[in-house]
Amino acid sequence: ETGVTQTPRHLVMGMTNKKSLKCEQHLGHNAMYWYKQSAKKPLELMFVYNFKEQTENNSVPSRFSPECPNSSHLFLHLHTLQPEDSALYLCASSQDVGENEQFFGPGTRLTVL
Amino acid sequence: QKEVEQDPGPLSVPEGAIVSLNCTYSNSAFQYFMWYRQYSRKGPELLMYTYSSGNKEDGRFTAQVDKSSKYISLFIRDSQPSDSATYLCAMRAGGSYIPTFGRGTSLIVHP
Repeated sequence: ETGVTQTPRHLVMGMTNKKSLKCEQHLGHNAMYWYKQSAKKPLELMFVYNFKEQTENNSVPSRFSPECPNSSHLFLHLHTLQPEDSALYLCASSQDVGENEQFFGPGTRLTVL
Repeated sequence: QKEVEQDPGPLSVPEGAIVSLNCTYSNSAFQYFMWYRQYSRKGPELLMYTYSSGNKEDGRFTAQVDKSSKYISLFIRDSQPSDSATYLCAMRAGGSYIPTFGRGTSLIVHP
C-alpha cells in the first residue's frame, strides 16, 4: 500500500445529492492533492493544499468544495453534480509541493446518475 | 494541440519483448519528466523521474529525454505479464509544482 487511503472506494449519487470523499495520508507529508481521472483523458489536477492551505484551484466548478482540516486529511465535498462529473477521483500527497514523487490513493469511483 | 501527447494503445507484446512507451510535448519550459505506472483499480505509482535531457536506468526500466525533439521514452526490457498496466507520463516546468499528465498508454504483456 502507498500510505494514502481513500473512502469510499465506490459512490453512486443523484444530481441533487450531497456527498463527501475522504482521503487520509499516513506518510507525514505536507502537501495533498485532488485529481480527476476520466476515461481516455489525462489526469486533471483539481486542488493543491500545502500545510493545510489551498495553493491551487485549477478552475474547478464550485459544486466541488475541498476541505483540509490538517496535513493528514483531505475532503472533497460534492453537491449538485452532473453526469459528466462521473470519474475516478484520486487523492495524492507529497513531502512538499513541487516534489516529483506523489503518492496516490486507490481512488473513489464516482457515478452521477 | 495538447500540451502532452501520449498514445492510449493498447500496446500488446509477448513476454520477454522490449517495450517502448513514448510521449511528446509542446511546452519547452518542462524540465522534470516522470513516468507513473497504474494497475487496474489502483492509483498511479512513480516509476522514475529525470531532470532535463539524458537517460536514467533502474533495473529493467530506462527513461530517456530528448528536449530538442520534445520527446520522452520509457523502455522496459524483458517485459513480464506483471508489467501489464497503464503507463502515464507527466512533466512540469522548473518553476511550477503542477505536473501535466499524458492520457496514459495501456500495456498488455501476454505469456
